[in-house]
Amino acid sequence: AQKVTQAQTEISVVEKEDVTLDCVYETRDTTYYLFWYKQPPSGELVFLIRRNSFDEQNEISGRYSWNFQKSTSSFNFTITASQVVDSAVYFCALSGSEDFFKAAGNKLTFGGGTRVLVKP
Amino acid sequence: EAGVAQSPRYKIIEKRQSVAFWCNPISGHATLYWYQQILGQGPKLLIQFQNNGVVDDSQLPKDRFSAERLKGVDSTLKIQPAKLEDSAVYLCASSLARPPGQTFHNEQFFGPGTRLTVL
Repeated sequence: AQKVTQAQTEISVVEKEDVTLDCVYETRDTTYYLFWYKQPPSGELVFLIRRNSFDEQNEISGRYSWNFQKSTSSFNFTITASQVVDSAVYFCALSGSEDFFKAAGNKLTFGGGTRVLVKP
Repeated sequence: EAGVAQSPRYKIIEKRQSVAFWCNPISGHATLYWYQQILGQGPKLLIQFQNNGVVDDSQLPKDRFSAERLKGVDSTLKIQPAKLEDSAVYLCASSLARPPGQTFHNEQFFGPGTRLTVL
């Protein structure tokens, strides 16, 4: 069974502050993918980043960066210099290799989400 | 490129009534997903289709929920009869198909969802 835990339910910051979202996952699979999605007030889930379990290199993409640590089963996400438009609910998700070997299996297991409020 | 379309956007019904949701995936996407998102929670997969076949429906409450994708394109999700606990947002997503055994995970694109309120 797979599980994703986002311990922070809500984070409030002032514009231009950095905000880091925590994500801890559980899986027995040796091959898996991790994701971050953003859900603005409009409700549509927007894909942000994807990481596979083979690559622990941490990267930066614009104002987004992530810290993947396999040893602690964590996949944290940071928004640098936050803006009001970053206000949304952010979801961490996991897809394991059990699903890869089903026909086109891409099942996502989501965490409970972290609401980010960026105040001007 | 058009995104995933869903209708209606909102629906209010009374318990024990029936309701149906419609989804049109991105053109060329063979894989279609229905997720249920209860307020304050992350989405939970209900059913996944590959073309018109079901890949995974292990979390679909089959006594009251049904879904079909007859021509391998658009899909409908039905609840009959609805219960109060079915109040949620129903999200449809689609992705390109990936042959079994390959590990690359295709990105899922989500529609705006249908917000269902059961009174």
